[in-house]
Amino acid sequence: DGGITQSPKYLFRKEGQNVTLSCEQNLNHDAMYWYRQDPGQGLRLIYYSQIVNDFQKGDIAEGYSVSREKKESFPLTVTSAQKNPTAFYLCASSIGRANEQYFGPGTRLTVT
Amino acid sequence: AQKVTQAQTEISVVEKEDVTLDCVYETRDTTYYLFWYKQPPSGELVFLIRRNSFDEQNEISGRYSWNFQKSTSSFNFTITASQVVDSAVYFCALSEGIAAGNKLTFGGGTRVLVKP
Repeated sequence: DGGITQSPKYLFRKEGQNVTLSCEQNLNHDAMYWYRQDPGQGLRLIYYSQIVNDFQKGDIAEGYSVSREKKESFPLTVTSAQKNPTAFYLCASSIGRANEQYFGPGTRLTVT
Repeated sequence: AQKVTQAQTEISVVEKEDVTLDCVYETRDTTYYLFWYKQPPSGELVFLIRRNSFDEQNEISGRYSWNFQKSTSSFNFTITASQVVDSAVYFCALSEGIAAGNKLTFGGGTRVLVKP
C-alpha cells in the first residue's frame, strides 16, 4: 500500500541529545513537510521541501534541521538547541505545489 | 499574513444530531485554497476536502457538506446525522498563492464529541 511512514511512534530522549525522526513516503510525491503539534493546538510548519536537495524554513525552524537526499525520505533532526522539543511531530507530502497534503501517523517525542 | 480562526474549541452532540464547524480565514491573496482535515484519536490527519478561491459552489459528500462564502471569509463544515465515529478534532487550513501545495496555515481545531 502507498503511504507515509513515520518511525518510531513514540520516542523518548534525555535533554541535551539530538534526535532524528524518520519520514518515508512511497507515493512518488515531490513535496514533503514537517509539522509540530502541541496539545490542544493546531499544526505549525517546521520545514518543507519541494524537490530533492532543496528545502525551506517554515514558521518555527529554530532548533531543527532537515535533509532531502532522496525523493522518498525527509528526516527531521531535533537538536539540543530546541528549547521545548516535547511535541507530536507530523510529516506530510503532496504530489506537487498544486495539491493537498497527505499526512503520516506521527511521532510523539518526549524529552526529559 | 494569513490566519485561520476556529472559534469553537469543543462541540458535544448526541448521535444523529447535526453539527456545524465554523472556520473564518484572513488572507490578502485573491488566489488561495482552503482545506478541512480530520484528526481521530490515533493522531493521523485525514484529508477531507479542498476548495479554491474561485469556486464558491457548496459541496456535499455523503453526510459531510461544506459552505464556502468569500463575502464573509468563511468555510464552514457540517456533519449531518452525526455518528460516534465522527468524534475527532477537525482542522480548517489555508494555503495562499496559486499552488495548494504551498505552506498550510492551520486553525486551532475543533474537537467534536459524539455521544451514543
